[in-house]
Amino acid sequence: DTAVSQTPKYLVTQMGNDKSIKCEQNLGHDTMYWYKQDSKKFLKIMFSYNNKELIINETVPNRFSPKSPDKAHLNLHINSLELGDSAVYFCASSQLNTAEQFFGPGTRLTVL
Amino acid sequence: ILNVEQSPQSLHVQEGDSTNFTCSFPSSNFYALHWYRWETAKSPEALFVMTLNGDEKKKGRISATLNTKEGYSYLYIKGSQPEDSATYLCALNTGFQKLVFGTGTRLLVSP
Repeated sequence: DTAVSQTPKYLVTQMGNDKSIKCEQNLGHDTMYWYKQDSKKFLKIMFSYNNKELIINETVPNRFSPKSPDKAHLNLHINSLELGDSAVYFCASSQLNTAEQFFGPGTRLTVL
Repeated sequence: ILNVEQSPQSLHVQEGDSTNFTCSFPSSNFYALHWYRWETAKSPEALFVMTLNGDEKKKGRISATLNTKEGYSYLYIKGSQPEDSATYLCALNTGFQKLVFGTGTRLLVSP
């Protein structure tokens, strides 16, 4: 069974569209994260949720809205997609503050 | 802006060579130091989480040390194998579950 799964794996869409990426973890973790891998291959934190509550919200445009329906899921909704949103987005989860984070396989978003 | 620096940026060694990389960080911003292994087309995989000055962790041929007072961590690979080829990332936990990643060291091990 996959520990942290993301769907879709690839997403190609037009500028201006709204899209969602889903993330699910079956590890029983209480904290989930979204990261963006930028053009320089940096992994940067976007959001984190602990027990469905927003903990970290980095300087991310408000077109990005995370939604956590329960502690096993953290979805990322993006409105009015722009070319610069093209990137690989990784979901992750962990149990404790200093514990290792388990990453999903990534979603490659391409905005045309 | 917190900088987590890794060196070298890339490394090419022969099978059987031992190698090491460095992760440097501001020693005043520290809760934990993470090392991850990231193979191409896969997701980052946790190797170690270290919190205490002088911590040493080992997993098979890979080990890591931590010096929080001077702000660095070393990752060692003994007897590199082609399957060790990957990007090795370190990340600093600055609190509130926030990881700040370095740019990574890309290792290529030739048979």
